[in-house]
Amino acid sequence: AQKVTQAQTEISVVEKEDVTLDCVYETRDTTYYLFWYKQPPSGELVFLIRRNSFDEQNEISGRYSWNFQKSTSSFNFTITASQVVDSAVYFCALSDAGGTSYGKLTFGQGTILTVHP
Amino acid sequence: DTEVTQTPKHLVMGMTNKKSLKCEQHMGHRAMYWYKQKAKKPPELMFVYSYEKLSINESVPSRFSPECPNSSLLNLHLHALQPEDSALYLCASSQQGGKSSYNEQFFGPGTRLTVL
Repeated sequence: AQKVTQAQTEISVVEKEDVTLDCVYETRDTTYYLFWYKQPPSGELVFLIRRNSFDEQNEISGRYSWNFQKSTSSFNFTITASQVVDSAVYFCALSDAGGTSYGKLTFGQGTILTVHP
Repeated sequence: DTEVTQTPKHLVMGMTNKKSLKCEQHMGHRAMYWYKQKAKKPPELMFVYSYEKLSINESVPSRFSPECPNSSLLNLHLHALQPEDSALYLCASSQQGGKSSYNEQFFGPGTRLTVL
């Protein structure tokens, strides 16, 4: 069975601080996908990144960066110089690569990030 | 255009009403999903359609009835709901990748449903 753990329920920072959201996953599959989604107060889940299990390269996109480490089954997300607009719930998710799961996502419980001005 | 649209944005209904939620995407995606999300919880998968065929039903009560009229549209018909069914209902779509894998899901803005 798959499992995603986001141990940080809520994080509060002041604008311009760097913040890292942790994600630890469990799966028996050798091929799988990891995702991060952002859910602002409006409710829509916004796709941020997908990482394939065979690609351990870290990625940077503007103020966002992701650190994928298979050895520790972690896929952490860092926001540099946080802004008030980053305030949202962030979900880490996992899916296997098999066709019979149809891309079914296993979500973590989410981390509520509040950035204060 | 990575947009999934959902109507209505808000819906209030009584327990005896029949209503429908609608979802549309024009990205050519062949997989579409319905999720239910309660406050402060992650989304829970309800149904998956792949190539307009119901592929996953996560043991959802029959008062929720999905329908996929064509590859761009997904409906969720509601009948005799209970107050505990009040939630945010999210639709998503994804493109099938290689070797039967599925790529990232793109979500709509959701319908906030209140059952009185």
